Amino acid sequence: GPKVLQIPSHQIIDMGQMVTLNCDPVSNHLYFYWYKQILGQQMEFLVNFYNGKVMEKSKLFKDQFSVERPDGSYFTLKIQPTALEDSAVYFCASSLLGSYEQYFGPGTRLTVL
Amino acid sequence: GDSVTQTEGPVTLSEGTSLTVNCSYETKQYPTLFWYVQYPGEGPQLLFKVPKANEKGSNRGFEATYNKEATSFHLQKASVQESDSAVYYCALVPHTGNYKYVFGAGTRLKVIA
Repeated sequence: GPKVLQIPSHQIIDMGQMVTLNCDPVSNHLYFYWYKQILGQQMEFLVNFYNGKVMEKSKLFKDQFSVERPDGSYFTLKIQPTALEDSAVYFCASSLLGSYEQYFGPGTRLTVL
Repeated sequence: GDSVTQTEGPVTLSEGTSLTVNCSYETKQYPTLFWYVQYPGEGPQLLFKVPKANEKGSNRGFEATYNKEATSFHLQKASVQESDSAVYYCALVPHTGNYKYVFGAGTRLKVIA
């Protein structure tokens, strides 16, 4: 079936540094999402994105977070600066416009030291 | 706000026995309900969805009925296999057009031969 790819699979950085998580969504999908899952906890919605704009974001989507998809390339989540509490697995998802069915990537495990 | 509560895991079953994972939800909007399954090292993948109350969804022997009166969407399978070992997530998305998923905490299922 359709695949969402995420790069890298693991990222270790020092607190205060910037990190960019990359997502290659399903090719004809137009709606994109990021979720955060802290180890042992549930997956929580961060943000969704359509037509170049953030449509909805949660309280977890701090001011240090930003998303973009320049020119149809990767859909990215940037965190600048990072904090210890940002350590988690971040899942990207995409969907067709008008569909509630999301396709998830395998996740990027981010460790902030 | 919207929420989903499901059976706390881990759940350990012997192959061939029946499974029930309870899921209850709260939302003021009319939602579509989902069950997702997540295998180790992968992102969640859709098991099935049910957009309308009083309808049943099913896939791979799993089924759940959208019970609007009881606000429940319990997952059942008559006879589990070792390959069903995974984490199962109940989720909802309200029909508000903002595509904001709410996930339950997940239920880890381990099936032993």
